[in-house]
Amino acid sequence: AQTVTQSQPEMSVQEAETVTLSCTYDTSENNYYLFWYKQPPSRQMILVIRQEAYKQQNATENRFSVNFQKAAKSFSLKISDSQLGDTAMYFCAFMKDGNKLVFGAGTILRVKS
Amino acid sequence: NAGVTQTPKFRILKIGQSMTLQCTQDMNHNYMYWYRQDPGMGLKLIYYSVGAGITDKGEVPNGYNVSRSTTEDFPLRLELAAPSQTSVYFCASSYSKEQYFGPGTRLTVT
Repeated sequence: AQTVTQSQPEMSVQEAETVTLSCTYDTSENNYYLFWYKQPPSRQMILVIRQEAYKQQNATENRFSVNFQKAAKSFSLKISDSQLGDTAMYFCAFMKDGNKLVFGAGTILRVKS
Repeated sequence: NAGVTQTPKFRILKIGQSMTLQCTQDMNHNYMYWYRQDPGMGLKLIYYSVGAGITDKGEVPNGYNVSRSTTEDFPLRLELAAPSQTSVYFCASSYSKEQYFGPGTRLTVT
């Protein structure tokens, strides 16, 4: 069974600094997708970034980028130039067969001014 | 284009009552999903559907039922509500790999 582990329950970062959130996963599949979702206090789930396992190049979306290490089954999220609006719960998720998502327990990120 | 809408936003149920959580999407997506999120945890898949008339169980289906008679609607039925079903429920839809989520329904069973 696929599992997703986020080992950092809470993180904090100063505004304008860089922070990295960790995620590891366990799977025997070779082709899959990985995602980071953001959940602000409004509780809306917002897709931040996605990575296809067959792509070696790390995905980037503006201030958000990932470090995808397929052999190590690691998928970390780097947020550059952190902003107060980045304060949220961040979930790492693995997509298995049939488009089903398996989520990690989440990391609370607090951006301090 | 409203995306994925869910009703109600909040609900309090007594133990043993039943209710239906509504979910509608206007993006003509084939795939639809129901997740639950317990406090401080990630989302867990309850049921999903790959198209009208087709549904299947997810990770935590016990105590729930679904139906999919149209592409747009995917209601979740709770029969005999129990305190363990206190949670936030999210509906989502997709046509490819990216899932679009509704705003969630906070359900409390007392």
